[in-house]
Amino acid sequence: GAVVSQHPSWVICKSGTSVKIECRSLDFQATTMFWYRQFPKQSLMLMATSNEGSKATYEQGVEKDKFLINHASLTLSTLTVTSAHPEDSSFYICSALTGGYGYTFGSGTRLTVV
Amino acid sequence: DAKTTQPPSMDCAEGRAANLPCNHSTISGNEYVYWYRQIHSQGPQYIIHGLKNNETNEMASLIITEDRKSSTLILPHATLRDTAVYYCIVRPSNTGNQFYFGTGTSLTVIP
Repeated sequence: GAVVSQHPSWVICKSGTSVKIECRSLDFQATTMFWYRQFPKQSLMLMATSNEGSKATYEQGVEKDKFLINHASLTLSTLTVTSAHPEDSSFYICSALTGGYGYTFGSGTRLTVV
Repeated sequence: DAKTTQPPSMDCAEGRAANLPCNHSTISGNEYVYWYRQIHSQGPQYIIHGLKNNETNEMASLIITEDRKSSTLILPHATLRDTAVYYCIVRPSNTGNQFYFGTGTSLTVIP
């Protein structure tokens, strides 16, 4: 079946630095990918829709200059958290549309900003 | 997209059937019912989806009421590994539209 690989699975960074998270579709092409954020004991919150070759569409309230999304190829989307702060610490998850099954999700990235 | 309502938590004895309800009274005619689950600290996993007819696969069964206003996910023989948060989502299929997650049901399978 379709596989979405997300890397890294966890990262710790210092406050003020930037962190890049990669999301790859391994055996299919994904023209559209989605990025979610999940805080402890809460549900997944959609951050943005990533479209190959065009600008991402951000959900209301999500800062596009802070969460940079690049979808330069049909198999790779990246999320860069710029100038990270402790409040950005969260679980970030990507997903891609895989036909009739809806979406396949990556395994998530646990970001801790210290 | 139609909203869904699920109980926040449920328990189930290991080996018994787990029946997870979902209310989607405002569902539209072209919206499918999808079920996903999320085991702690992992990405959500697809379980099953359906439009009007009941569906079954190797993981679960999906029972959709005739008026489509509610559905039930059935895990026929729950195991400890089925402990997870289960999300019921309704949306049109294959449109590329976003998935919006509700609060889900936290299922605990008890030995």
